Amino acid sequence: DAMVIQNPRYQVTQFGKPVTLSCSQTLNHNVMYWYQQKSSQAPKLLFHYYDKDFNNEADTPDNFQSRRPNTSFCFLDIRSPGLGDAAMYLCATSRGGTVGEQYFGPGTRLTVT
Amino acid sequence: KQEVTQIPAALSVPEGENLVLNCSFTDSAIYNLQWFRQDPGKGLTSLLLIQSSQREQTSGRLNASLDKSSGRSTLYIAASQPGDSATYLCAVINAGNNRKLIWGLGTSLAVNP
Repeated sequence: DAMVIQNPRYQVTQFGKPVTLSCSQTLNHNVMYWYQQKSSQAPKLLFHYYDKDFNNEADTPDNFQSRRPNTSFCFLDIRSPGLGDAAMYLCATSRGGTVGEQYFGPGTRLTVT
Repeated sequence: KQEVTQIPAALSVPEGENLVLNCSFTDSAIYNLQWFRQDPGKGLTSLLLIQSSQREQTSGRLNASLDKSSGRSTLYIAASQPGDSATYLCAVINAGNNRKLIWGLGTSLAVNP
């Protein structure tokens, strides 16, 4: 089945130690998104790629970076995680164009110790 | 600025009841509206997408309606089951920006056996 895959499902990192989360998709969608979701809150969009075109949200901290080496993969890099960065990180894809429907992966739960 | 509100924030019903979850939005110029389900600690599952030109969509026991002029959508769940227990979120995409979802905070549903 075509899907959005996130690895790892659970990640523990130390305060200040860089960490990378990965997302892959078999849907061949043009757009890939990264969201941060904290407990009892709605997902917050960090940035998205339309093909290779990177779009950062104005309030996304500089500590968060992203790479999309090809259509299938997208990475979220957190350069110096703080305790406030502990959250669920969700990857999503969409075809872009006029469709807009977003498909989500299972998420990566990040713990910062 | 688009704002999405979901009422009630939490709902508890006995198994077998038909129920309605509400979503309202302040700006009727939307591209589409999407309903999601989220189980605790998990990612998001897309349930139904309604394009702005549509009035409703159905999938199994779920029916979502859209009244764009009044800024409202409802998600109807027929014959609820304990397995329906989850948080249900609605999100809209504003016309002219077909990538960014604007989210409600969700309705936490508990279906009791």
